[in-house]
Amino acid sequence: QKEVEQDPGPLSVPEGAIVSLNCTYSNSAFQYFMWYRQYSRKGPELLMYTYSSGNKEDGRFTAQVDKSSKYISLFIRDSQPSDSATYLCAMSAGSGNQFYFGTGTSLTVIP
Amino acid sequence: GAGVSQSPRYKVAKRGQDVALRCDPISGHVSLFWYQQALGQGPEFLTYFQNEAQLDKSGLPSDRFFAERPEGSVSTLKIQRTQQEDSAVYLCASSLAGPENTIYFGEGSWLTVV
Repeated sequence: QKEVEQDPGPLSVPEGAIVSLNCTYSNSAFQYFMWYRQYSRKGPELLMYTYSSGNKEDGRFTAQVDKSSKYISLFIRDSQPSDSATYLCAMSAGSGNQFYFGTGTSLTVIP
Repeated sequence: GAGVSQSPRYKVAKRGQDVALRCDPISGHVSLFWYQQALGQGPEFLTYFQNEAQLDKSGLPSDRFFAERPEGSVSTLKIQRTQQEDSAVYLCASSLAGPENTIYFGEGSWLTVV
């Protein structure tokens, strides 16, 4: 079993829709949670960073962490065609040196 | 520099050839990570440096893979006797200090072994 599970999609939505992306994990030691956006042939770009449980909002993006369920989410409001990319979740326990990544969810926003 | 810089961006190697991939982290970033990303997959950890010390190399897939960061800034990932299964994107990332901080990636070095 992988440390982090993420539905690879692909996910296709119309412009303006609310998008929900999710990851589950098995290691209860994870405390640091991140979402990255990766465009084709580019490196991952940090979108959101959350420590422990709770919500964090940044513009059209909201990250949620539920440590009791070992479940994290990224919501994108008013989705735009420029949001079309692969979204990677990542997490770390903080005491080790590894960041563990999901496989990524491919998102297409249709104009 | 402003971001993590990697070179070469694209490399085609013949099977059996040695390759060297370079990473120049964000200025002042103490920690440096190498990840391998296969097509359609998430990044997989290879190795981690804090300054010049290689603190974790548990992800290196075989003894053909070697990484160094001799002066605590630029790092090189070397792959000896490349095999077709080594074809992947090799991502370098850096952070200010430790895994508590977020990591910032370069654009990656795309390696194709033919």
